[in-house]
Parts: sequence; structure tokens; C-alpha cells
Amino acid sequence: EAEVAQSPRYKITEKSQAVAFWCDPISGHATLYWYRQILGQGPELLVQFQDESVVDDSQLPKDRFSAERLKGVDSTLKIQPAELGDSAMYLCASSRTDSGANVLTFGAGSRLTVL
Amino acid sequence: GDSVTQMEGPVTLSEEACLTINCTYTATGYPSLFWYVQYPGEGLQLLLKATKADDKGSNKGFEATYRKETTSFHLEKGSVQVSDSAVYFCALRNEKLTFGTGTRLTIIP
Repeated sequence: EAEVAQSPRYKITEKSQAVAFWCDPISGHATLYWYRQILGQGPELLVQFQDESVVDDSQLPKDRFSAERLKGVDSTLKIQPAELGDSAMYLCASSRTDSGANVLTFGAGSRLTVL
Repeated sequence: GDSVTQMEGPVTLSEEACLTINCTYTATGYPSLFWYVQYPGEGLQLLLKATKADDKGSNKGFEATYRKETTSFHLEKGSVQVSDSAVYFCALRNEKLTFGTGTRLTIIP
């Protein structure tokens, strides 16, 4: 069964450092999403890509977060500088299109701890 | 904006008990509705979905019916197992996928 690949699974960093997460969606999935899940809460959308274009980054803290999907396949989410409040699970998901009926398939996530 | 309210946990049940996790939503138009499950240390997995009113989604013994008149999508299972212990998220999708806060379910033998 096709999977969404994410790395690293776990990352511990000190505040003010830079951190990056990588995601490889299911082959052929045009839409890619980055979510942040704070412990005890539901995931919240940070950014959505359609192919290589950003279609929604309204909840992305752009002063410190950036995301790219240069060739419309894999994607990188970067945080610089990291803050204590960024400790969370970062989930990547993909879907065939952005149609409302399309199911999102999630990766296993990257858990970030900022000390 | 769109929102999902689900039953707060944690919920603890004995094996073979009946389960209901309540979920209600507020949304414009006709969203698709989903239940996702998250096992410890893992990402979210789709459990079931319904795309229009009166549709029933089902999987692994779990069921949920899209009730437009009550704006609800309650998750039910007749007999739970220890392996069902996880966090369950109700979600709706219009332009974007919006999640509830999750309900932690623990099944004791």
C-alpha cells in the first residue's frame, strides 16, 4: 500500500536553532498538506500545495516558517528560529486532488521537541 | 467558519462494551465527513467517511451516519476490542479539512 514518507521521525533541538522536515507524498498525488498537531489537540493546517503552488498558507507563521515544493513532488517545511511553542507533531498528507471528497493520506509524522 | 465539536475524553470501556463517540459540526454547504484514528506514535489513518446526507460509513466494525438534520456524525461500535485503543478524530471537509480535538479511547481487558 502506498505511503506518505516523512523524516525525521523525531527531532530535538534548542530554541533559536533551525529545523527542517521532509515529506514525500504518494506518487501521483497533486495536493500536499502540512499540518501541526499540538499534544492533546487536533491537527491544524499550516500550508497546502497544489503541484508546486501554494494555495493556502493563511495559518503559516511566515516570520519563522517556510515551505516549498519546488518540483511539485516532495516538500520541505522549515522553522528558523525554533521557539519553545513549536514543540508539536508535524504531519504531512497528500491527496489525488483538492476535491472535497478526496481522502487525505497522512504520513507517520515528525515529532519536534524544542528545549 | 467551519468547526467540529466532539465528545471530550478520555473514554475508558471494558472489552466487548458498546461505544459511541459524539461528533457535531458547523459548516456551510455540504461537507464530506470523516473519522480518523491515531494509534500511539503514529500518524492519522482514515477509519471511515461519508460524503452526503444519510450516507453510512463503515469499517472494522465501526459505523457513522451523516445526519444533516442534526449536523452530527457519531461514531459507533457494538463490541470494542483492546486493539481499538487509540485517539479518534472527527473531521469535515469543505475547502479544507477541519478536525475536532480528538477523543482518547482506552479499552481494558
